[in-house]
Amino acid sequence: EAQVTQNPRYLITVTGKKLTVTCSQNMNHEYMSWYRQDPGLGLRQIYYSMNVEVTDKGDVPEGYKVSRKEKRNFPLILESPSPNQTSLYFCASSPGLQETQYFGPGTRLLVL
Amino acid sequence: AQTVTQSQPEMSVQEAETVTLSCTYDTSENNYYLFWYKQPPSRQMILVIRQEAYKQQNATENRFSVNFQKAAKSFSLKISDSQLGDTAMYFCAFMTPYVEGNKLVFGAGTILRVKS
Repeated sequence: EAQVTQNPRYLITVTGKKLTVTCSQNMNHEYMSWYRQDPGLGLRQIYYSMNVEVTDKGDVPEGYKVSRKEKRNFPLILESPSPNQTSLYFCASSPGLQETQYFGPGTRLLVL
Repeated sequence: AQTVTQSQPEMSVQEAETVTLSCTYDTSENNYYLFWYKQPPSRQMILVIRQEAYKQQNATENRFSVNFQKAAKSFSLKISDSQLGDTAMYFCAFMTPYVEGNKLVFGAGTILRVKS
């Protein structure tokens, strides 16, 4: 089944404790993105990647890192999480620049 | 800045009736794509419909159709014969691939409740 998977789905952590949210797609898509969803703000792009080893900042990159060492994986790293990073995070992928993006199931993160 | 505005935070509709969700956007680009995504209580983001700005014909997908008014920068979603399973948050979004890559710009969303 063609899909985007994320792990973990739920995570509670404390301020400053490094964490990684994994994202994987099995559709051989070139483009991958991370978004965060906050009430009243919709979804906002954090980072995106156009291909292996090619990444760039989105609208809200502060406090996040990403890497794209393999085409199928695009992990999101929070090196020192803070409470303002409490949010719902989505990974998405698309086959090309003008193509529709398909979203993973979301990861709900709570930083205490 | 490119923005999307959904002016209706919440709406409700009776089962089997028709409802229209509004969306306006602001961009100076001529080549862009518009989307409606549905987010049910499961939080999954599900594509409802997509419209290319260069196409004059309004997109339709079964009970879902759009009214795309390019000059007015308006992109409303009409849901016909509403069903209980249509209860969800609906997000309007657009993309300008030749300017900002594959970034989707989202509105704040409209919560739709379908009542029996």
